[in-house]
Amino acid sequence: AQKVTQAQTEISVVEKEDVTLDCVYETRDTTYYLFWYKQPPSGELVFLIRRNSFDEQNEISGRYSWNFQKSTSSFNFTITASQVVDSAVYFCALSEPPIYNQGGKLIFGQGTELSVKP
Amino acid sequence: NAGVTQTPKFRILKIGQSMTLQCTQDMNHNYMYWYRQDPGMGLKLIYYSVGAGITDKGEVPNGYNVSRSTTEDFPLRLELAAPSQTSVYFCASNAGELFFGEGSRLTVL
Repeated sequence: AQKVTQAQTEISVVEKEDVTLDCVYETRDTTYYLFWYKQPPSGELVFLIRRNSFDEQNEISGRYSWNFQKSTSSFNFTITASQVVDSAVYFCALSEPPIYNQGGKLIFGQGTELSVKP
Repeated sequence: NAGVTQTPKFRILKIGQSMTLQCTQDMNHNYMYWYRQDPGMGLKLIYYSVGAGITDKGEVPNGYNVSRSTTEDFPLRLELAAPSQTSVYFCASNAGELFFGEGSRLTVL
């Protein structure tokens, strides 16, 4: 069965600190997608990144970076020089193999609530 | 481009009442989903659909029903509301990335 574990329930940092959110997943599929979503206090779910299982290159987008390691089944998310606006709940998710390029069901982790204090 | 639209955004129900949460997407996506989000529990899949006329149960389907008569619409029905169904409900559609609606906050008293 597929499973996503975000062991950190809550993290609190002071502005400008770097912070890493951990995500560990389980799947028997060889083809799958991994995602990160952000849920700010307003409640909507904001897509951050999608990574397919064949692409282990790390990705950087501004202050955000992602480290995908198949050997440890991890897809960790780092925010560099955190800001108050980064305060949100962050979800890691795993998708079953896509069909006809339309994607499959997403299984979500429990989420990590990040609080960035000024 | 409206994306995924859910209505209503807020609703209070009494135990035993019925209601339908509406979901419409205008992106012609075949895959659609209903998730519920409880505090500290992440999102749990209730039902999903891979296309018009096809629906299937997710992880927590009890107490809910769905239908998918068109590609655009995927309503979620609560037949006999219970306090355990107090939650925030998200509809989504998928084309490689999940597009979420804004959520519907349902309280059952």
